[in-house]
Amino acid sequence: EVQLMQSGAEVKKPGESLKISCKGSGYSFTSYWIGWVRQMPGKGLEWMGIIHPGDSDTRYSPSFQGQVTISVDKSISTAYLQWSSLRASDTATYYCGRLPHWYVDLWGRGTLVTVSS
Amino acid sequence: EIVLTQSPGTLSLSPGERATLSCRASQSVRSSYLAWYQQKPGQAPRLLTYGASSRATGIPDRFSGSGSGTDFTLTISRLEPEDFAVYYCQQYGSSPLFSFGPGTKVDMK
Repeated sequence: EVQLMQSGAEVKKPGESLKISCKGSGYSFTSYWIGWVRQMPGKGLEWMGIIHPGDSDTRYSPSFQGQVTISVDKSISTAYLQWSSLRASDTATYYCGRLPHWYVDLWGRGTLVTVSS
Repeated sequence: EIVLTQSPGTLSLSPGERATLSCRASQSVRSSYLAWYQQKPGQAPRLLTYGASSRATGIPDRFSGSGSGTDFTLTISRLEPEDFAVYYCQQYGSSPLFSFGPGTKVDMK
């Protein structure tokens, strides 16, 4: 089955670091870009950035440049999104998605990140 | 920077009715790099159409996309109960590389 499996929900305190994951299976992981999308509670979708697993080419949305790091380990077909110091405003659901071209045709189920003191 | 505006914000309709959702871009979207997604509460988005008018795999033919340049439309010919959801348009361009519209909620009258 073709799918993206995301890591489980996280509860963190402000200032803590975090790395969430997105594992692809059932397809050639290095042939498609992976994108990350944020959805804050009750709000719309926001692009964060994309990465190509084949060569780790990464593009960030200007709003998220310097705020997060997107990486990939192609040996285990897994992409990552990480924060070095979380803030309460990072509370959101984060989705990963597969991009065959410039749109997302396959989505993960999302990872809920809650940041609260 | 390309900004997407969706209208209306909320569309209240009954099953069987036709839904027309609009997505307007502040600048021309090159090569019609415009996609539509559906999102239901507690679920990930689902791709409906891309390239302005191509339907994604498994999407019923009651969903159709159209438009070019700065004006795009998603039409649901006859609403089914499972179609009540939030719909987002998304563009691919030069700056920003990707962006979503704010969404249109289709709810039951």
